[in-house]
Amino acid sequence: KQEVTQIPAALSVPEGENLVLNCSFTDSAIYNLQWFRQDPGKGLTSLLLIQSSQREQTSGRLNASLDKSSGRSTLYIAASQPGDSATYLCAVSSSAGNNRKLIWGLGTSLAVNP
Amino acid sequence: DTGVSQDPRHKITKRGQNVTFRCDPISEHNRLYWYRQTLGQGPEFLTYFQNEAQLEKSRLLSDRFSAERPKGSFSTLEIQRTEQGDSAMYLCASSLSRLATTANTGELFFGEGSRLTVL
Repeated sequence: KQEVTQIPAALSVPEGENLVLNCSFTDSAIYNLQWFRQDPGKGLTSLLLIQSSQREQTSGRLNASLDKSSGRSTLYIAASQPGDSATYLCAVSSSAGNNRKLIWGLGTSLAVNP
Repeated sequence: DTGVSQDPRHKITKRGQNVTFRCDPISEHNRLYWYRQTLGQGPEFLTYFQNEAQLEKSRLLSDRFSAERPKGSFSTLEIQRTEQGDSAMYLCASSLSRLATTANTGELFFGEGSRLTVL
């Protein structure tokens, strides 16, 4: 049974720091992994999606990596800003094109202090 | 198209009342999903549609819940005889799923959610 774990559960950093959020999964037979951002009381914003055949994806200050063999993904945020404060969730899909089987982590709550 | 939109954003109701939420997905997306999220938890799958066909319902979805997507575009989620345990954020998401196309990334796009409070 696939399980997704995110560490740490909460993180507080000063503005400008580079930081890494971790996501680990127990079954390496995944189709893709997606990182989302969620602001309090809001929906989820897709940040990056990595297909199982890919090693990393980049968007602006964000870089996500995937190592299927070790069951890990990291989300790297460069030069953090107070506007990056949010909860970051990763979700793993084990079925091609069917997101009903997304398995979610509980998220990392990030606070970037000015 | 500006993304997935949901309405209303927040609904407060008394126990026993019926509520309905609407979701308008990204226009070219053929798959539409409903999830439920409670505080501190990840989203829980409720049901999904491919075009107008409802292909799966979670066991979380009791008989009081019904979802429709009559024309393969917008969808509604109705909860009858609401209970306090139904209080949650109801999230809609859409994705593009077609066979034999490199455009089928499976990427999921969410709306802002509809928060339900049952008093």
